[in-house]
Amino acid sequence: EPEVTQTPSHQVTQMGQEVILRCVPISNHLYFYWYRQILGQKVEFLVSFYNNEISEKSEIFDDQFSVERPDGSNFTLKIRSTKLEDSAMYFCASELRNEQYFGPGTRLTVT
Amino acid sequence: EDQVTQSPEALRLQEGESSSLNCSYTVSGLRGLFWYRQDPGKGPEFLFTLYSAGEEKEKERLKATLTKKESFLHITAPKPEDSATYLCAVPRTNSGYALNFGKGTSLLVTP
Repeated sequence: EPEVTQTPSHQVTQMGQEVILRCVPISNHLYFYWYRQILGQKVEFLVSFYNNEISEKSEIFDDQFSVERPDGSNFTLKIRSTKLEDSAMYFCASELRNEQYFGPGTRLTVT
Repeated sequence: EDQVTQSPEALRLQEGESSSLNCSYTVSGLRGLFWYRQDPGKGPEFLFTLYSAGEEKEKERLKATLTKKESFLHITAPKPEDSATYLCAVPRTNSGYALNFGKGTSLLVTP
């Protein structure tokens, strides 16, 4: 069964460094999303992406964040200058017929 | 503001002891209510989508129902492998299908 994959599974970085989180959505899906989940808190929407552009973003998704679909398969989330409060699980999801399927997540730890 | 409230926060059941989880929502013009299962350190796993009051969906020991203000996830004769956090989500108002999640119900089923 097709699934969303994410790499790396765990990323440790120092405050102020740039990180890129990678996702491979399910191949016939058209909408892609990034969410995050801070430890012990609820899953929060960051950004949605359709037809090679951002379709919606939350108030969390500020100028430090960017997304890109550099080729036909990958979907990336970049954080330009990480802060301690960016430490969280980051989930990619892809959608077909209004149903979103999530990847296993990348645990980002900012020290 | 959209609200998704889940109760109880945590539930402990003995194997075979049926129960229900609640998700109440306040959103203008519901465009679907989604149930997910999340295991520790993993991404949410899609379970059900419900679109209209009175609708029911079943999968193994789980049955989801929907009214105009809330949804229930009924668990019949649960097994230890049903232990997980169950998340409820609705699309954000004035949004595509970016999801607004509740905090979840943490279910533990003991043998």
